[in-house]
Amino acid sequence: GIQVEQSPPDLILQEGANSTLRCNFSDSVNNLQWFHQNPWGQLINLFYIPSGTKQNGRLSATTVATERYSLLYISSSQTTDSGVYFCAVAFSGNTPLVFGKGTRLSVIA
Amino acid sequence: GAVVSQHPSWVICKSGTSVKIECRSLDFQATTMFWYRQFPKQSLMLMATSNEGSKATYEQGVEKDKFLINHASLTLSTLTVTSAHPEDSSFYICSARQRVGNQPQHFGDGTRLSIL
Repeated sequence: GIQVEQSPPDLILQEGANSTLRCNFSDSVNNLQWFHQNPWGQLINLFYIPSGTKQNGRLSATTVATERYSLLYISSSQTTDSGVYFCAVAFSGNTPLVFGKGTRLSVIA
Repeated sequence: GAVVSQHPSWVICKSGTSVKIECRSLDFQATTMFWYRQFPKQSLMLMATSNEGSKATYEQGVEKDKFLINHASLTLSTLTVTSAHPEDSSFYICSARQRVGNQPQHFGDGTRLSIL
């Protein structure tokens, strides 16, 4: 099946710093989503981005489908950005998302 | 739009009890819903694909007789953990996707199940 690798596995940032999270996947996909899982377990959908670039406030994401990777950028990080960031991909709309192992981000004041 | 509601949020019960978890798409129809399980400090693992009006498809290693899935309508799928034991304690989360076009999957808030 499709493989999803995320890096780095853990990241500690000083408040205000910028970061880049990476997601590599092993096959062609037509669905890629980035999530933030908060301490209560809720999965917050950040981006639906099978290709191209999107921005939402301090967050932006880029997916290069032909090279099978996606990047999530966090600028001017805040303590509330802490949590686990997951990348998930699917072959098609009707197939389930396969999740990477996540990047655990800690932003310290 | 595209809200998925999952109920209950928390369940604590005795070993041997059966527990039902509901997953509803509130403002869209979903022919397919997915059930995931997440153990502490791990990623989400797919348990099964729930198809409206037909049998669920289970991933390898998931016992279909222990985790009963029913998808009786286009807006509701249920997961019943039968005769639950402490090793079934986990975080269960469902997702659904709108029927038409290329759409993202939307997730419920999850159910934290603790079996004593």
